[in-house]
Amino acid sequence: DTEVTQTPKHLVMGMTNKKSLKCEQHMGHRAMYWYKQKAKKPPELMFVYSYEKLSINESVPSRFSPECPNSSLLNLHLHALQPEDSALYLCASSQEEATNTEAFFGQGTRLTVV
Amino acid sequence: AQKITQTQPGMFVQEKEAVTLDCTYDTSDPSYGLFWYKQPSSGEMIFLIYQGSYDQQNATEGRYSLNFQKARKSANLVISASQLGDSAMYFCAMREGRAQGAQKLVFGQGTRLTINP
Repeated sequence: DTEVTQTPKHLVMGMTNKKSLKCEQHMGHRAMYWYKQKAKKPPELMFVYSYEKLSINESVPSRFSPECPNSSLLNLHLHALQPEDSALYLCASSQEEATNTEAFFGQGTRLTVV
Repeated sequence: AQKITQTQPGMFVQEKEAVTLDCTYDTSDPSYGLFWYKQPSSGEMIFLIYQGSYDQQNATEGRYSLNFQKARKSANLVISASQLGDSAMYFCAMREGRAQGAQKLVFGQGTRLTINP
């Protein structure tokens, strides 16, 4: 199983809503990532979890709150988002502490903030 | 500072022709990995090929090969015998070595490849 599963695939939320994005992998990977991708732009790293601990936070606004409940799951909690936060949110996982292993990506969640 | 540079925003190629997508990178770390990903309109990022900084030979995966020129800091992707299904966005990415912990995977701006029948 080389799959990273993201739910939901599409999400429309108001600026006062609270929602969560979910990501799951069963490859035994201990590094998991959230990326944000705006239209016609490359993915931008938001967070990295290593062995279920937050390893990297790329100065992301606090309205985005990541959580790693266990080694297979990664959540991104959303609250009080702005319309400019509308984007494709990609989750990825990889083996830990190795430059020579690829990251496996999910299909992403297309988020629209209205 | 931008570490991955893809200078071709878009490329148009006839079906069955070979195509080269350019990628240059910048790092002072002797240990790094270079990756190419394909992103169709569906959004998922599909891993294509990997080249390590210490690899002596250029990587190949089926129709994909990586032209790695370390002194020039370039890692161009070559797709042989292009197919209509190769039409997509292609990203070059780099992961630098670190003593501990997960490393960042940083992407270039991407090249949109269109294969014409």
